[in-house]
Order: sequence, then structure tokens, then C-alpha cells
Amino acid sequence: QKEVEQDPGPLSVPEGAIVSLNCTYSNSAFQYFMWYRQYSRKGPELLMYTYSSGNKEDGRFTAQVDKSSKYISLFIRDSQPSDSATYLCAMGRNTGFQKLVFGTGTRLLVSP
Amino acid sequence: NAGVMQNPRHLVRRRGQEARLRCSPMKGHSHVYWYRQLPEEGLKFMVYLQKENIIDESGMPKERFSAEFPKEGPSILRIQQVVRGDSAAYFCASSPPQGRTGGYTGELFFGEGSRLTVL
Repeated sequence: QKEVEQDPGPLSVPEGAIVSLNCTYSNSAFQYFMWYRQYSRKGPELLMYTYSSGNKEDGRFTAQVDKSSKYISLFIRDSQPSDSATYLCAMGRNTGFQKLVFGTGTRLLVSP
Repeated sequence: NAGVMQNPRHLVRRRGQEARLRCSPMKGHSHVYWYRQLPEEGLKFMVYLQKENIIDESGMPKERFSAEFPKEGPSILRIQQVVRGDSAAYFCASSPPQGRTGGYTGELFFGEGSRLTVL
């Protein structure tokens, strides 16, 4: 069993839809939870970062962490074609440095 | 302010040759990480370095792979005697020094990657 599981997609939605992306994990030692966006042939860029359980909102993006269920989510409201990318969840332990474990990524396609 | 710079962006090697990938962290960043992304797989941690020190290399294959971050110049990921299974995208990331409390300081800044193809 992988430490982090993520549906690879692709997930196709029309412009303006609400998108829900999810990851599950098995290691209860994870304390930091992140979502990265990766455009084709580019490096990942950090979208959201959450420590422990709870919600965090930034513009059209909301990240949720449920440590009791070992489940994290990223919601994108009013999705735009420019949101079309691969979304990677990543997690880290409290080791003092960013040795992250990544999901395989979900490919999102937003059609105009 | 330049981001994390990686070169070459694309590298083709024949089996048995050596590959050298270079990474210059963002200005002011003293921590460098290398991750590998195999096709259809997520990013996998390889090694974490500070200037002149390897802090954690638990993700590095035991043979043929080495990394350094010298006092002057970029960080280098070196792969000797490449095999087809080494074909992947290699990403470098950097982060600023730890905060005064020593805690997590935030995001990793990734470069655009070096794509190695072994023929």
C-alpha cells in the first residue's frame, strides 16, 4: 500500500464548476499537508499549505484536512480553463525539513 | 529575483554514460532538495543538502547516484553508468534557512526540472 493515494484522473469539468480533489494517506505521523499545481513540463508550485487538521481558504481555493480519517481535500470554486493542470498532494512529518511524500497527481481539465 | 535554476532542461545519454544535473537555488536559500518523478508516479524524495553537507540521503539509490552542494557553485546530482530505468524528470527545490525557532518555514520552491532520457 502506498503511503499517499491519489486518483490520477483525468477529471474533466466545464468552466465555472466546483472541483473536488482528494488524497488519502496511511501514516498518522504526517503533520503538514500541501497541494501543489504542476503545469505540463513545468515544476510544481505550492497552492495551499495546512498544518494539522482544519480548513484553509485562499481565493477560489479551499484546503481541508481530516486527520481522523486520514483524508485531505482541495476545492476549487468557479474553475477556469487556466486551472487545467495536474494537482499533487504532498505531506510531511515534523522533522524540521521538507522531506515530502507526494501523491501521484490528479490531472484536471477545465473546458471553456 | 530569479527562481530555482536547473540545467540542462533536457539530457540524452546512452546506457553506461554519466549524467550531471545542476541546480542553483533561489537567492538567499541555503537548503536544496532533489526529487525524482518517474512516468505515472509522484515525486520521490532523493536527498536534502545544505552547503557542503548532505543532511538526508535516504531516498538516493545506494549505487551510481551522488549529490553535492559545494560552498561555491550549484548543487550537482550525478548519475554514473546510467541505465534505462534512470529516465525521469529530476526536480530541484530550495527553501530558506530555518526560522529562529527551528520550525518549518513554509514552501519548497521547485525548478522546472531536468528531463533525462537514457537510450
